[in-house]
Amino acid sequence: AQSVTQLDSHVSVSEGTPVLLRCNYSSSYSPSLFWYVQHPNKGLQLLLKYTSAATLVKGINGFEAEFKKSETSFHLTKPSAHMSDAAEYFCVVSDRWNQGGKLIFGQGTELSVKP
Amino acid sequence: DTGVSQDPRHKITKRGQNVTFRCDPISEHNRLYWYRQTLGQGPEFLTYFQNEAQLEKSRLLSDRFSAERPKGSFSTLEIQRTEQGDSAMYLCASSRSGGQGLDTQNFGPGTRLTVL
Repeated sequence: AQSVTQLDSHVSVSEGTPVLLRCNYSSSYSPSLFWYVQHPNKGLQLLLKYTSAATLVKGINGFEAEFKKSETSFHLTKPSAHMSDAAEYFCVVSDRWNQGGKLIFGQGTELSVKP
Repeated sequence: DTGVSQDPRHKITKRGQNVTFRCDPISEHNRLYWYRQTLGQGPEFLTYFQNEAQLEKSRLLSDRFSAERPKGSFSTLEIQRTEQGDSAMYLCASSRSGGQGLDTQNFGPGTRLTVL
């Protein structure tokens, strides 16, 4: 069975400082991994996805994530936080070979950005 | 590309009533997914369609829940005899199936259901 564990339910950073949101995954197959962001009262937006090409994946708004198979991790980073980054972030796994492609979400990490 | 739309955005109902939600996917997307998100949790998969065929249902989808996609375009999710535990955000997503693997799922804004 596939699952993801987001290691922090809440992360608080100051504007301009780095962001690290941690995610570990479990998958019996070669996984596809995603990070989605959810701003209050808005829909889920895809930040980036890993599908076995490059292990370092660049996404929108300056975010990137690195797939580390040996550590079963897919942590999300950004060099410098902006106030507009405050939101809920979800790490997501899917079975790459499952043609259905259903997504398994983590519990979410709430990111707060202090001025 | 007008995105995935859902209607209504909010629904308040009394316990025991039936409710129906609608999802309009991106027009060229042949896959449509329903998820449920409760407060403080990540979305959970409920069911998905490829064209008009419902190909997978989660065990979360009790007998009171039914979903349809009659012509392979919009979809409806009906909950019969609602219970307070059904209060949640119901999310719809659509994607286009590729030759191998999956394509990105685009999410709608959701329908927030409150059962009193």
